[in-house]
Amino acid sequence: DAKTTQPNSMESNEEEPVHLPCNHSTISGTDYIHWYRQLPSQGPEYVIHGLTSNVNNRMASLAIAEDRKSSTLILHRATLRDAAVYYCILSAGLSNYGGSQGNLIFGKGTKLSVKP
Amino acid sequence: DTGVSQDPRHKITKRGQNVTFRCDPISEHNRLYWYRQTLGQGPEFLTYFQNEAQLEKSRLLSDRFSAERPKGSFSTLEIQRTEQGDSAMYLCASSFGAGSQPQHFGDGTRLSIL
Repeated sequence: DAKTTQPNSMESNEEEPVHLPCNHSTISGTDYIHWYRQLPSQGPEYVIHGLTSNVNNRMASLAIAEDRKSSTLILHRATLRDAAVYYCILSAGLSNYGGSQGNLIFGKGTKLSVKP
Repeated sequence: DTGVSQDPRHKITKRGQNVTFRCDPISEHNRLYWYRQTLGQGPEFLTYFQNEAQLEKSRLLSDRFSAERPKGSFSTLEIQRTEQGDSAMYLCASSFGAGSQPQHFGDGTRLSIL
């Protein structure tokens, strides 16, 4: 299974942008890049995902390198509620029956702290 | 959309007892996943269903674990003869369509083995 590498922790100031990096040098052509975050005592929460092009939604932006071997999650203005563990995950995109289609392989993620 | 719900939220039991957890996915979602998370680690995949069919099981899912999804709606995860090492958060997630689609997680069932 493809793996990702993230920094263990990062700090940010409130209302400043945050760039969370992720390396995935063994990504295959059909792997999607997903980001989830997890607040204490809660299940993971979907943030954003993409395949090749940069993506934007109400929560964040995802910038994907041209060679797809790295990506960056961008929180445009961090708030205290954004303090969480952020996971970068590769997910097989083929819609076949069986195999490892869709199950997410989590690493340890990046623990983001936000200072007031 | 009421989200994924899991019951109970907490379960404390003695070693050797059997426990069963329930997950109610988002109603139109055809895929349902079970994960386990221990302290300080990311969730680990256990098994998943597409409708009522269990399509994949992780090597983590020992013979003491069994999961069902009758009629493709709610799912149950049973652990027989619980051991200390089973103490963890058990998370359920659901999604619609292909494997690339986002998964929506419940807040989990925390199992503590005395």
